[in-house]
Amino acid sequence: EPEVTQTPSHQVTQMGQEVILRCVPISNHLYFYWYRQILGQKVEFLVSFYNNEISEKSEIFDDQFSVERPDGSNFTLKIRSTKLEDSAMYFCASIGTGSYNEQFFGPGTRLTVL
Amino acid sequence: AQSVTQLDSHVSVSEGTPVLLRCNYSSSYSPSLFWYVQHPNKGLQLLLKYTSAATLVKGINGFEAEFKKSETSFHLTKPSAHMSDAAEYFCVVSTLQDTGRRALTFGSGTRLQVQP
Repeated sequence: EPEVTQTPSHQVTQMGQEVILRCVPISNHLYFYWYRQILGQKVEFLVSFYNNEISEKSEIFDDQFSVERPDGSNFTLKIRSTKLEDSAMYFCASIGTGSYNEQFFGPGTRLTVL
Repeated sequence: AQSVTQLDSHVSVSEGTPVLLRCNYSSSYSPSLFWYVQHPNKGLQLLLKYTSAATLVKGINGFEAEFKKSETSFHLTKPSAHMSDAAEYFCVVSTLQDTGRRALTFGSGTRLQVQP
């Protein structure tokens, strides 16, 4: 069964460093999302992406964040200068044309900022 | 604006007994509602979804949920808990974006413990 994959599973970085979190959505999906979950808190929407541009973003998604689809398979989230409060689990999700509302989630990347 | 409230942060049941995880939502229009499960160190798995068809929705692993518009509720139930059901459960409402696609608004989660 097709699935969304994410790498790495765990990323440890120093405050101020740049990180790139990678996602490979399901191959025929067209809409892509990033969410984050700070430890012990609810899952929060960050950004959605369609047709090579951001279609919606939350107030969390400030200038330190960017997303990109550099090729036909990868979907990346970049944090330019990490802060301690960026430590969280980051989930990628995608939707295909056949399932209007159902988002398929990846296993997540745990980001730890020291 | 959409919102979802999970009334219990923790629920503990004995194996073989019924499970009830409560969820209330608010939405300015007919919502789509979901339950996701997250096992430790795993991603989010869809249990079931309601999208304006039958109000009683059956999902995987014996779970079901009933959409009650008058009560704005979407409680998750299972007749008999299994040890493998121990996990975090999220009630989710869809949020319509300008693109016509939907982002999800998550509840705060309910941690289900199953005692032997």
